[in-house]
Amino acid sequence: GAGVSQSPSNKVTEKGKDVELRCDPISGHTALYWYRQSLGQGLEFLIYFQGNSAPDKSGLPSDRFSAERTGGSVSTLTIQRTQQEDSAVYLCASRLYSNQPQHFGDGTRLSIL
Amino acid sequence: EDQVTQSPEALRLQEGESSSLNCSYTVSGLRGLFWYRQDPGKGPEFLFTLYSAGEEKEKERLKATLTKKESFLHITAPKPEDSATYLCAVQAQGGSEKLVFGKGTKLTVNP
Repeated sequence: GAGVSQSPSNKVTEKGKDVELRCDPISGHTALYWYRQSLGQGLEFLIYFQGNSAPDKSGLPSDRFSAERTGGSVSTLTIQRTQQEDSAVYLCASRLYSNQPQHFGDGTRLSIL
Repeated sequence: EDQVTQSPEALRLQEGESSSLNCSYTVSGLRGLFWYRQDPGKGPEFLFTLYSAGEEKEKERLKATLTKKESFLHITAPKPEDSATYLCAVQAQGGSEKLVFGKGTKLTVNP
């Protein structure tokens, strides 16, 4: 079946612009996660959704970052007033039940000029 | 704070040369330890979940083991197609859903 789909696959933008990243989870998966992978760093947790609610936003690095999920499916991660340090690969994952592994998309590579 | 340390950072093997990757962890109650494989430009691909010390899981040339402080990913007679970055992650008890990842081991298998 279809896996986690993320768009765009690549995004180049100028410092100070806002960007929106999209994640389509595996159909029926109730939980959705956003992570960030910077060069030389491990994957860093950003936010977790269960349905449309976000019980854990502890990884969002600043108030410039926000995310929402609608209809228990698609999620968007928004970064306002982008900075060069926001350059990274943003990965989305979803899972079905709490004892199931998280399955990842191929990410959006974000480059801030 | 939950932490995961993977070693070595990089490993070069000849085809058929078996070896092991290490994942040391500290966590406030382990809910699960996960191994993923990541190819360049791709997202992590799930390999194994281990839940308790002494547990082992196998898939083709890979075997994952778990103790109370570390996990090993044993690669037997590797092939060039096993070349990838292998990631280890832990999930803590207590309701947290996030995975805490190590920085990975980049494995290169030469023909």
